[in-house]
Amino acid sequence: DIQMTQSPSSLSASIGDRVTISCRASQTISTYLNWYQQKPGKAPKVLIYAAVNLQSGVPSRFSGSGSGTDFTLTISSLQAEDVATYYCQQSYSTPSITFGQGTRLEIK
Amino acid sequence: QVQLVESGGGLVKPGGTLRLSCAASGFTFSDYYMSWIRQAPGKGLEWVSYITTSGNTIYYADSVKGRFTISRDNAKNSLYLQMNSLRGEDTAVYYCARDAVGELRPTFDYWGQGTLVTVSS
Repeated sequence: DIQMTQSPSSLSASIGDRVTISCRASQTISTYLNWYQQKPGKAPKVLIYAAVNLQSGVPSRFSGSGSGTDFTLTISSLQAEDVATYYCQQSYSTPSITFGQGTRLEIK
Repeated sequence: QVQLVESGGGLVKPGGTLRLSCAASGFTFSDYYMSWIRQAPGKGLEWVSYITTSGNTIYYADSVKGRFTISRDNAKNSLYLQMNSLRGEDTAVYYCARDAVGELRPTFDYWGQGTLVTVSS
């Protein structure tokens, strides 16, 4: 199975900060990489698909980049409502779909 | 609007069985591949199973292969997960999720609210 490793596991940032979360695949996955946001007690919500595409309805402060093995989710200006856990997911190696372990984002 | 509503979770003893259901509405259910994804308490997301539109192609995670069975009834707009020989490590919230892409490279664009399965004696 392809292992997905996110870093950091948790981070604390201030409102208005630029925040980046990394996701590394154990082997190349082209751009078959999605990002999800999960707020406490809620189901995950897709933010970015195919590494760089913003899902409809998602604020433009969210962006994704990368290809191959290294990917980044960026929040350009952190808002209070962005407090959540973020997961990456690879869809290259079907049927062995795998998620990263998650990155918990808090407000400082 | 798209809605996915899971049901059927609960407390079951190790070795027991449970059948989860997911009722879909707001879209043409028969046009979409579907998956079950679970999340153990305080843990991350784990993909469980995947089924194509007709049900002809099905995949399982190794952790559930041989114990769980995914199925769908397109006439009833419903997805199911039959879970047998349950173990403590199967304790989790189980989500059904729609695959937006449908090319066996899933992006899960809609999720249900989840149903909690607790396996304990």
